[in-house]
Amino acid sequence: QVQLVESGGGVVQPGRSLRLSCAASGFTFSSYAMHWVRQAPGKGLEWVTLISYDENNKYYADSVKGRFTISRDNSKNTLYLQMNSLRTEDTAVYYCARDRAIEEMATLGSWGQGTLVTVSS
Amino acid sequence: VIWMTQSPSLFSASTGDRVTISCRMSQGINSYLAWYQQKPGKAPELLIYAASTLQSGVPSRFSGSGSGTDFTLTISCLQSEDFATYYCQQYYSFPWTFGQGTKVEIK
Repeated sequence: QVQLVESGGGVVQPGRSLRLSCAASGFTFSSYAMHWVRQAPGKGLEWVTLISYDENNKYYADSVKGRFTISRDNSKNTLYLQMNSLRTEDTAVYYCARDRAIEEMATLGSWGQGTLVTVSS
Repeated sequence: VIWMTQSPSLFSASTGDRVTISCRMSQGINSYLAWYQQKPGKAPELLIYAASTLQSGVPSRFSGSGSGTDFTLTISCLQSEDFATYYCQQYYSFPWTFGQGTKVEIK
């Protein structure tokens, strides 16, 4: 059974940094692209970033490009999101998601329960 | 960036009703469209991908149609557990984008 558990959320001041982690289990982590998606309080979903299964490809939303970095450690079955220069508008629940298909970038098949990031002074 | 217009934003319905939600793209995306269901306080769940393919375990009362720029999610006979918010999402080109969401509420 696919399990994705996010951690690392919390309250942080504007301009500071935070790193989120997503521990994966129940599937061959190294065979799937992984994503981060966020949802501001009371708002809709926003896709944030993707990393391919082999780490060769990374894509970002314009709103986070140059500030956020996605990475993965296939030996630890863990996905990361390094968030720098945080802004109040980055306040959201951050979801880790596994791609639907092996070795493809084919939408969001399984989701974690999310971790809340609050950017506030 | 591909912009998406999802409508309506709110759908009031009763159990047993047929519900139709529309998603229109700013440019053609072939069939690279997915639909998700989200209940309050929960993570979204994938319902449909490739515009019309039902994800494993999803009830057959859900169906999707369309290609190019216009897509539809249909719930043929609304059940109590279907009251939720639904999102369309394109994965044709980066950045991937979501529709604004449609909340299906009890009439």
